[in-house]
Amino acid sequence: DVQMTQSPSTLSASVGDRVTITCRASQSISSWLAWYQQKPGKAPKLLIYKASSLESGVPSRFSGSGSGTEFTLTISSLQPDDFATYYCQQYNSYWTFGQGTKVEIK
Amino acid sequence: EVQLVESGGGLVQPGGSLRLSCAAPGFTVSSNYMSWVRQAPGKGLEWVSVIYNAGGTHYADSVKGRFTISRDNSKNTMYLQMNSLRAEDTAVYYCANSVAGYFDYWGQGTLVTVSS
Repeated sequence: DVQMTQSPSTLSASVGDRVTITCRASQSISSWLAWYQQKPGKAPKLLIYKASSLESGVPSRFSGSGSGTEFTLTISSLQPDDFATYYCQQYNSYWTFGQGTKVEIK
Repeated sequence: EVQLVESGGGLVQPGGSLRLSCAAPGFTVSSNYMSWVRQAPGKGLEWVSVIYNAGGTHYADSVKGRFTISRDNSKNTMYLQMNSLRAEDTAVYYCANSVAGYFDYWGQGTLVTVSS
């Protein structure tokens, strides 16, 4: 089974900050990685697929990079609507999620 | 617009059974991969099961032998039959659509609580 490890688990940041979340896979998953945003009481929302492709309608301040086992999600300038929990997910071999990164207001 | 609507959650005793439904007005459930994903209270996301467009299925080890995924094409609805439920199955259960591996559309979720 492919294990996904995100870091950090919690991130405190201010509006306007550049934020980076890291996701590591236990084995190579090529570029078969997605990122989701989840707010309390809501379903996850797709942000990025195939490691770096931006889902339609998602603001361009979100970007993804990486391949193989190391991936990052970057928010170039954090906005009030971005305070949420973010999950990476591999879909190279069935599906596995990272444990999540909560982005909190500093 | 793609819409997924779950139903069937509720309170059930340990060892009991429950069937969840995922209706998909606006698109055909048999045309894509459809999955169930769950989230225990205050925890992260866990993939549970998938039914492929050709009808094959796969399960997470944590539910294998207890849960069964299926669909009724005439009703355009996917199901998750959950038997031998345990306290650790308590979670919000989401259905999710996948065209290319990632989950592009999600339902609103239905809460399953396993408790005596």
